[in-house]
Amino acid sequence: GNSVTQMEGPVTLSEEAFLTINCTYTATGYPSLFWYVQYPGEGLQLLLKATKADDKGSNKGFEATYRKETTSFHLEKGSVQVSDSAVYFCALPEGGQNFVFGPGTRLSVLP
Amino acid sequence: NAGVTQTPKFQVLKTGQSMTLQCAQDMNHEYMSWYRQDPGMGLRLIHYSVGAGITDQGEVPNGYNVSRSTTEDFPLRLLSAAPSQTSVYFCASSYSRTGGGKLFFGSGTQLSVL
Repeated sequence: GNSVTQMEGPVTLSEEAFLTINCTYTATGYPSLFWYVQYPGEGLQLLLKATKADDKGSNKGFEATYRKETTSFHLEKGSVQVSDSAVYFCALPEGGQNFVFGPGTRLSVLP
Repeated sequence: NAGVTQTPKFQVLKTGQSMTLQCAQDMNHEYMSWYRQDPGMGLRLIHYSVGAGITDQGEVPNGYNVSRSTTEDFPLRLLSAAPSQTSVYFCASSYSRTGGGKLFFGSGTQLSVL
């Protein structure tokens, strides 16, 4: 089945630092790829997605590019804010609407 | 819109007790599912449903039962709680049953089994 490998962290950055969270995947075919974010005390919510190779998903200053050659979907943000402190999950579908999630990366941004 | 509503938010059980985690959505979504979240393991699928009257097992179904009598509700039943079921449980729904659509999550139920 499909699987996701994701750096677990935790990651601690100062405000305005550059963020990269690595995600690689194993999948049959070329599924859509997703990043979900979980803010403290809340459920997960979709941050961004990409549906095909070389697509770039973006939202709230975050970006991720679907790299077929390296089977990667790394999440990046040029300048993080304290409000970005959360847990980030890389995910891909595994049949219908069922998803496989990575272990999550906890990000803490210090003022 | 309320979205996906889960109750309770917190629950403590003793080993062997049973309980039901409630999940309701008001978006007329066909697809609903239950995940558990454990440290270092991400989210794992317990059970899912693609419509009223249709349910199926996910990756970790043992010890859990579900039913889907209406489009709106998808309760998760723990038959005889065990310490290994201590976890955070999330209900999710989607408008699509065929894939590619985003999941809408509830805010979770934190369950401790002593």
